Amino acid sequence: DAGVTQSPTHLIKTRGQQVTLRCSPKSGHDTVSWYQQALGQGPQFIFQYYEEEERQRGNFPDRFSGHQFPNYSSELNVNALLLGDSALYLCASSLEVAGGQETQYFGPGTRLLVL
Amino acid sequence: GESVGLHLPTLSVQEGDNSIINCAYSNSASDYFIWYKQESGKGPQFIIDIRSNMDKRQGQRVTVLLNKTVKHLSLQIAATQPGDSAVYFCAEKIETSGSRLTFGEGTQLTVNP
Repeated sequence: DAGVTQSPTHLIKTRGQQVTLRCSPKSGHDTVSWYQQALGQGPQFIFQYYEEEERQRGNFPDRFSGHQFPNYSSELNVNALLLGDSALYLCASSLEVAGGQETQYFGPGTRLLVL
Repeated sequence: GESVGLHLPTLSVQEGDNSIINCAYSNSASDYFIWYKQESGKGPQFIIDIRSNMDKRQGQRVTVLLNKTVKHLSLQIAATQPGDSAVYFCAEKIETSGSRLTFGEGTQLTVNP
């Protein structure tokens, strides 16, 4: 049973560039959430995708966008990169259930460095 | 605003001792809490969760206690092992805010042999 996978593992970009990060959810899961984790801090919620639509969004600018595909995998896109976007980007998958309190399982993350 | 925080940023214990990691939350509407373990270079790993209608929940070597009166959550690790060394995060979810998890800053647990 494959867990959450993310690619690439590491990425180096320069300011102003654009980046796409990818996530495959745990087998059987249909919901994908993205988090940004700055060094030494807890993860911060970016947004969540369910049924190929953005269902909920955190306090992040429009430069951050995403997509979910029919196979439930997801992409996170960041445009016009800033130095402050350097962080570990985490994908978490879960299963939508009655009552809504599904457990989120995290992938290993993509380490993004913006120079 | 809503926040989840931890009392101590670091905790150092001897191998075999019990560890207690604390967490405070400010929103009484929070109804689901999770503890995650994050080792260096890895994503957070689910440890245990608890719902607001419970006071205590036990897993393998771990126990989570929830005190809704003072909005306090704790993670107890029995017979702490070197492999338990990691950063521990508590996270909360508020049903009305959907599936968004709000994380605290984390506690670095170091287990000394």
